[in-house]
Amino acid sequence: DTGVSQNPRHKITKRGQNVTFRCDPISEHNRLYWYRQTLGQGPEFLTYFQNEAQLEKSRLLSDRFSAERPKGSFSTLEIQRTEQGDSAMYLCASSGASAGGYYEQYFGPGTRLTVT
Amino acid sequence: AQTVTQSQPEMSVQEAETVTLSCTYDTSESDYYLFWYKQPPSRQMILVIRQEAYKQQNATENRFSVNFQKAAKSFSLKISDSQLGDAAMYFCAYRIPRTSGTYKYIFGTGTRLKVLA
Repeated sequence: DTGVSQNPRHKITKRGQNVTFRCDPISEHNRLYWYRQTLGQGPEFLTYFQNEAQLEKSRLLSDRFSAERPKGSFSTLEIQRTEQGDSAMYLCASSGASAGGYYEQYFGPGTRLTVT
Repeated sequence: AQTVTQSQPEMSVQEAETVTLSCTYDTSESDYYLFWYKQPPSRQMILVIRQEAYKQQNATENRFSVNFQKAAKSFSLKISDSQLGDAAMYFCAYRIPRTSGTYKYIFGTGTRLKVLA
């Protein structure tokens, strides 16, 4: 399977704990995105990497959130001191050059976080 | 700020019939891209169709087509010959112009499509 993969698929944690999610993009894609999706809403942008450089962060990404993409391959999203409001689906997507400049994004299955 | 609005939280269509999902957006840009994504229950989002703002011709992909009205900032999705497998959440997405250096999407809140046998 050459699509975007995310691990774990589900994570249940207690409030105050730290969690880390991993995303493996499509291998030839140099752009990687993280989004958060809450129930009944569309995905909201969190952060964007081009290769290993984090080029944009949303105001949604508080200082408890950190993302990395070492060597421009996989990426990790860490949430420290989780809060119940962090409960959501965390989506990763990747994109690469495409005809017409669309740079359409390909999404992974997401990691569903539940904070109890 | 750019916004995307999907005013239909839920739609139903009879199998083999045609349905149109609405999407409007707000932007001051002239160059941008629009997308429709499908999110089946508990499965990942799949690209359905895409449209570049500079192209006047409406995009089509098999049973899926769009009605892109740039002046009205409208980007509706038409699904013809609906099938049970089309049942999903559909999201309209706007992509920031490439000149901004980023390619993030702004999504609407989605329309849940039910297909009735």
